[in-house]
Amino acid sequence: NAGVTQTPKFQVLKTGQSMTLQCAQDMNHNSMYWYRQDPGMGLRLIYYSASEGTTDKGEVPNGYNVSRLNKREFSLRLESAAPSQTSVYFCASRQNNMGGEAFFGQGTRLTVV
Amino acid sequence: QQQVKQSPQSLIVQKGGISIINCAYENTAFDYFPWYQQFPGKGPALLIAIRPDVSEKKEGRFTISFNKSAKQFSLHIMDSQPGDSATYFCAAIRGSNYKLTFGKGTLLTVNP
Repeated sequence: NAGVTQTPKFQVLKTGQSMTLQCAQDMNHNSMYWYRQDPGMGLRLIYYSASEGTTDKGEVPNGYNVSRLNKREFSLRLESAAPSQTSVYFCASRQNNMGGEAFFGQGTRLTVV
Repeated sequence: QQQVKQSPQSLIVQKGGISIINCAYENTAFDYFPWYQQFPGKGPALLIAIRPDVSEKKEGRFTISFNKSAKQFSLHIMDSQPGDSATYFCAAIRGSNYKLTFGKGTLLTVNP
């Protein structure tokens, strides 16, 4: 069972470069999420998608864009990377019911130099 | 603004002791409160969760206590073990829009 798969696992970017983080889930979940994790800051929600075709901003959306390509895939794009975007990024998915457990990917460690 | 406030930021407990992590929230629209456990290099994984119409939920050594009037909930780990050493996150979710919000996390260290 693959669960939630994120690619790539590691990435180094130069300031100003762009890239897309990919996320795919095989659990037929409705909701998908992108978080960033920084020391002392916990997991901060960047964007989420409660269903195919919808996306909403989280706590820290500036500098990011997302695409819910289909029910399985939810990508996060950095158009012009900045050193402040150096972080570990996690994708998660869950079913839209009261007790729906969120499943996380293994994370992408991104460094912007 | 931080919607879920978690404390302490770090906690050191001796093996066999009780670990207690506290969380508070403001938004009464939250209707589900999970706790996640994260080991280094891994994504978070669900540990235990509670609904606001329940005051306590126990699963093995892990217990959630929920105080709806105070808008607070806490995780108790009984008989803490070195293998429990991890980062713990409380979270809250609004069923109406499925937004899942996390606290800042607590790094728990259980000394042998």
